[in-house]
Amino acid sequence: QQQVKQSPQSLIVQKGGISIINCAYENTAFDYFPWYQQFPGKGPALLIAIRPDVSEKKEGRFTISFNKSAKQFSLHIMDSQPGDSATYFCAAVDGGATNKLIFGTGTLLAVQP
Amino acid sequence: GAGVSQSPSNKVTEKGKDVELRCDPISGHTALYWYRQRLGQGLEFLIYFQGNSAPDKSGLPSDRFSAERTGESVSTLTIQRTQQEDSAVYLCASSFWGANTEAFFGQGTRLTVV
Repeated sequence: QQQVKQSPQSLIVQKGGISIINCAYENTAFDYFPWYQQFPGKGPALLIAIRPDVSEKKEGRFTISFNKSAKQFSLHIMDSQPGDSATYFCAAVDGGATNKLIFGTGTLLAVQP
Repeated sequence: GAGVSQSPSNKVTEKGKDVELRCDPISGHTALYWYRQRLGQGLEFLIYFQGNSAPDKSGLPSDRFSAERTGESVSTLTIQRTQQEDSAVYLCASSFWGANTEAFFGQGTRLTVV
């Protein structure tokens, strides 16, 4: 049961371009939406996160846009750099009884120099 | 320790053997997850421990897989009668209780079944 749908599966962007990764969910009980970044051979690490009472959150070149009514959220990487090449996972947390973290399927980003 | 520690980092085993993977979470973290990641693939949820609550085992792929956690400390993931399709990286993550908390991942155990 895939509760968080992520697209695209892979993405190639030129250096300096904007990388956009999209996620959608169905469960309205989700109340926390983090993004994780994973480099080869490493475990995922938290990149940026947002709560649904906020429509946008920006940290440096990384921005999350959140559309509560559409149940969609996206990650924008501005001025993409080769060092951003990694796999990105969106996630959602059910803030009810379980607080369980549920991941999307991941997006492999390659930023070409 | 400073982070989530997993051991061994690499494990090669023969088909049909049992293996045990270990995860030492960050001290004080009540939540602990196990995920499986096949080469180039996403994170496949296996099991979730949260404090003293009954674990969420909904992701375990077969009865050959089991996991235990002692209180809020070490967890072990056991795979019995390993098969070649079990070859993957097994990742453990831990976090404090609460929705807005960060999950910290270990480096994973790379399991190869030959």
